[in-house]
Amino acid sequence: AQSVSQHNHHVILSEAASLELGCNYSYGGTVNLFWYVQYPGQHLQLLLKYFSGDPLVKGIKGFEAEFIKSKFSFNLRKPSVQWSDTAEYFCAVRGGKLIFGQGTTLQVKP
Amino acid sequence: NAGVMQNPRHLVRRRGQEARLRCSPMKGHSHVYWYRQLPEEGLKFMVYLQKENIIDESGMPKERFSAEFPKEGPSILRIQQVVRGDSAAYFCASSPLAGGHEETQYFGPGTRLLVL
Repeated sequence: AQSVSQHNHHVILSEAASLELGCNYSYGGTVNLFWYVQYPGQHLQLLLKYFSGDPLVKGIKGFEAEFIKSKFSFNLRKPSVQWSDTAEYFCAVRGGKLIFGQGTTLQVKP
Repeated sequence: NAGVMQNPRHLVRRRGQEARLRCSPMKGHSHVYWYRQLPEEGLKFMVYLQKENIIDESGMPKERFSAEFPKEGPSILRIQQVVRGDSAAYFCASSPLAGGHEETQYFGPGTRLLVL
């Protein structure tokens, strides 16, 4: 069965700290992978996506993610977080419909 | 180009009433997906529709829930005889392609349903 697991449920960082959010998936076929962000009170916005090619994907707002096929992982990274990055982050895999992880709440302290 | 639109943004219903949630996909998109986000949980797929067709309803509860995407007008998610456990945020997403290699789903702002 398809599934997505996000290891960190709640992360608290200070501004300028580096960020890495874990995401592992289980899916037997060709995967399309996504990271979405949900700012407080807002809808989901696409941060970045991986379909094929270079496994290191650059997204908006300085985010990037690396697809490691052997580890079934698609971790999200940002070298230096800002207070405005406070939000909930969802990893998703698409095999037809989107399967979401349970989300990681990131709180950045100014 | 307007994004995915959902209305109402907030909906309050009493137990036993009906809830109708509307979703207008982005211009040029003919594929609509509905997801539900329960408190403290991630989004769960409910149903995937194309114009006048339900493609995948594997995530829909067997009773009280239905969805449609008519030839004209928005997609509608209908919940009959709502119960408190239906309280959640319901998100609609649309895409221009179906299973295409470059498919990306774009999300609407959601409808937050509260059942009293």
